This record gives sequence, C-alpha cells and structure tokens, in this order.
Amino acid sequence: NAGVTQTPKFRILKIGQSMTLQCTQDMNHNYMYWYRQDPGMGLKLIYYSVGAGITDKGEVPNGYNVSRSTTEDFPLRLELAAPSQTSVYFCASSNMPRVGEKLFFGSGTQLSVL
Amino acid sequence: KNQVEQSPQSLIILEGKNCTLQCNYTVSPFSNLRWYKQDTGRGPVSLTIMTFSENTKSNGRYTATLDADTKQSSLHITASQLSDSASYICVTPYSGAGSYQLTFGKGTKLSVIP
Repeated sequence: NAGVTQTPKFRILKIGQSMTLQCTQDMNHNYMYWYRQDPGMGLKLIYYSVGAGITDKGEVPNGYNVSRSTTEDFPLRLELAAPSQTSVYFCASSNMPRVGEKLFFGSGTQLSVL
Repeated sequence: KNQVEQSPQSLIILEGKNCTLQCNYTVSPFSNLRWYKQDTGRGPVSLTIMTFSENTKSNGRYTATLDADTKQSSLHITASQLSDSASYICVTPYSGAGSYQLTFGKGTKLSVIP
C-alpha cells in the first residue's frame, strides 16, 4: 500500500518559472490537502479538496493553483515562481477530518526558487 | 486567535533517558489534539490522538496526556532510543467561517544522542 505519493522530491526553479507538484493517494480518501513547511514554522495550509471537482483556499493560497479531477490526484501548480515560495511542500489525505481522522502525508517536495 | 504553542523548541537527551514535550492550545471549542512524529526528510506520521474525555493514552514508549482545563497536552517518551530523534508536532482542529482547519504547532525537535 503506497499511501500518499509526491513527486518530485527535489526541484530548483528560476524566478518566473512554473511547475506542477504531483500528488496521488491510493486510500480512496475524499479529503486532500497541500501544506507548506518553512524552517521553524508550523505547517500552513495552501489549498484543500473535499472531493473530486471541489477545491478551496487555505491560509496561504496566493501564487498557487490546484485541481481535483479524480479522487486519487491533487496536483499543485506554481505559476511565476518567486523566492518566497522556497519551502518544503507536503500533500496529505484523510478520510473524515471532522471526527479527528488522522492525516496521511507524503514524503514532501523540497523546492528552491533562485 | 486559535494557536498551538510547543515547548521546548529543541531538546537533546542521552539515549535511554526520558523526556516530556509540551503543547499549549487556545483553540475553542476543543474537540481533539493529535501528536505527529516527523522524521527528517519525511512527512509527519500520527502517534496518537487525545479527545476531550481522555486524560492519558499510551502507545508503546509514548504517553500522551491532556488537561482540558489548562488547555495543555504533553508527550512523554520513556527510555528514549536513537530512532526517537525527530520533530514532534501537535495539531488541533478548529471550525471557523464555515470551514474546518487544522492548527499546527511549530514542533519540538528532539535529538537523542548515544
């Protein structure tokens, strides 16, 4: 059982470039999330989805876009990369978060924008 | 404001020793608090969840406590091992403006040395 799979693991972008971070889960979870983790800071929610075709902004959505065409996949798009987007990105999924279900995280994507 | 504060920021202990990590929260109303372990270069993995009715819960060498009156939770690690070296993050949900979000602490970085 693979769980949550993120690709790539590492990426270096130049300012103004674009890229897509891929995330897929095989647990049939309805809820999926994108977080960023900056050094010494707690995880911040970028976008989340409660099911295929439904997405919503989190705490720090500016500069990012998402789509959810299937239950399994939840890609994160960075347009016009900026140095402020240098961070570690985590995708996560869960079953029923409102009743305290745990999140399953991917192993992360370390992104540097230079 | 919904906040989760963790202390200490970092901790170094000798292998075999015990330690206690603290988590204070201001989220209201409270429903649950979850502890995650995050190994370096990996995504967080759930250790345990504490609900309003639980004071103490053990998971092997990990024991979590919850004091809902003082809004504090602790994670006690007994007979530490080198593999316990990680960041430990506490997380609690809150509902606001029609959405359901999680508030993450910044984590305590534990280093267990031989």
